[in-house]
Amino acid sequence: DIQMTQSPSSLSASIGDRVTITCRASLDISNSLAWYQQSPGKAPKLLLYGASRLASGVPSRFSGAGSGTDYTLTISSLQPEDFATYFCQQYFTSLWTFGQGTNVEIK
Amino acid sequence: QVQLVQSGAEVKNPGSSVKVSCKTSGDMFNNYAMAWVRQAPGQVLELMGRLVPIVGVPNYAQKFQYRVTITADKSTSTAYMELSGLQFEDTAVYYCGRVARSGGIDSWGQGTLVTVSS
Repeated sequence: DIQMTQSPSSLSASIGDRVTITCRASLDISNSLAWYQQSPGKAPKLLLYGASRLASGVPSRFSGAGSGTDYTLTISSLQPEDFATYFCQQYFTSLWTFGQGTNVEIK
Repeated sequence: QVQLVQSGAEVKNPGSSVKVSCKTSGDMFNNYAMAWVRQAPGQVLELMGRLVPIVGVPNYAQKFQYRVTITADKSTSTAYMELSGLQFEDTAVYYCGRVARSGGIDSWGQGTLVTVSS
């Protein structure tokens, strides 16, 4: 199985801050990476796919980058509705695997 | 807006089985694969398996392959996930989702909490 390691596991930030979350795969996943946002008690929501492509309806303050084994999710200016948990997911292999999540909290 | 509506919460005894349903539209059913993912408290999201309803052949994650059955009823556009041999550690929220052609899961059900308790 491909292991997905996110960092940090949690962070505190203020409205307007720029936030970056990292996801590292245990082998090259060739940009077959999705990012999700999950608020408490809700299902995950797809933010990006193909490492850097915005899903439909997702604000442009979200962006993704990376290649090979290392990927990032950046929120350029944190908004109140962005305080949530973020997950990465690889779909390079048929056995998809997810990162453990990064909880973005209000400072 | 794609809608996937799951069945309600369940409480099950250890060793029993649970069957969770996921109803969607006929259009979605005929044109997309569906996945089942679970989220146990404090644990990583886990893929359980996928199914292309129109084809009807599921594939399962190795961890669950001897305990999970994923099926689809085309007449009602409903997918099902049945998990047998329930243990306490199967307590989790179970989600169905539409597999996006571009990658990932782009629409999710609301989740079904399954609690295994004696």
